[in-house]
Amino acid sequence: GQQVMQIPQYQHVQEGEDFTTYCNSSTTLSNIQWYKQRPGGHPVFLIQLVKSGEVKKQKRLTFQFGEAKKNSSLHITATQTTDVGTYFCAGAETSGSRLTFGEGTQLTVNP
Amino acid sequence: NAGVTQTPKFRVLKTGQSMTLLCAQDMNHEYMYWYRQDPGMGLRLIHYSVGEGTTAKGEVPDGYNVSRLKKQNFLLGLESAAPSQTSVYFCASSYSIRGGLLIWDEQYFGPGTRLTVT
Repeated sequence: GQQVMQIPQYQHVQEGEDFTTYCNSSTTLSNIQWYKQRPGGHPVFLIQLVKSGEVKKQKRLTFQFGEAKKNSSLHITATQTTDVGTYFCAGAETSGSRLTFGEGTQLTVNP
Repeated sequence: NAGVTQTPKFRVLKTGQSMTLLCAQDMNHEYMYWYRQDPGMGLRLIHYSVGEGTTAKGEVPDGYNVSRLKKQNFLLGLESAAPSQTSVYFCASSYSIRGGLLIWDEQYFGPGTRLTVT
C-alpha cells in the first residue's frame, strides 16, 4: 500500500534558525496536506498543495510540492518558540481518497 | 459551531473491558475518520465512513468496530480492550457537499481521547 515517509523525526533548533522537514511518498500523489500539532493538542490543517511544482507561502512558512508529485517540503524561516510542535504531511493518491499520514517531524525551539 | 467534539477525554480500562468513544461534528461533513496516535508512529487510520450508514476499514482495524447511524456521529467501539490499544484516539471529519458538488476539504480533528488499558 501507499507509504508516506517524513524526515527528520526530530529537529532541535535555536530560535532564529531555519527548519525544514521533508515528505516522500512511495506513489504519485494527487495532493498533499500539511498539519501542525502543538504539544498536547490535535492536528490542525495548514495547507494543501495540488499542482506539480507548486509553492505556497504563509508568512515564514514555505511549502513545496515536487515536480513528480511524490515529495514535498515545509521550510520555516527564522523559527520562533511558537513554531514548536509536530508537523505532519498527509498524501492522497487520488482526489477524494483517504489520506495517508507521515510519521511527523517534532520540532523544538530553544529560546 | 463546536466543530468536532469527542467524549470522553480520558479513560482507563482494564484488559477485557469494553467501551465506546463518541465523535460528533456539526459541519455537515460527509466523511468521518477514527485515528490512533502512538509515539513515533504518526496517525494511523482505524476505520472511516463516507456517509451515514456506511463504514470501511483503515490501516489498523483489528479489535475495533464502528457505527455511523447518524451523519453527525461516528462511534468507535472496543469490545475487549487490550494493553496494545493504549493510545490517543482522534476523530476527524471532512468533505462537504455544497451546491450539489463534493467539495474536497481538509480534515478537522477533535481534541482526542487518551485511553489507557491496564
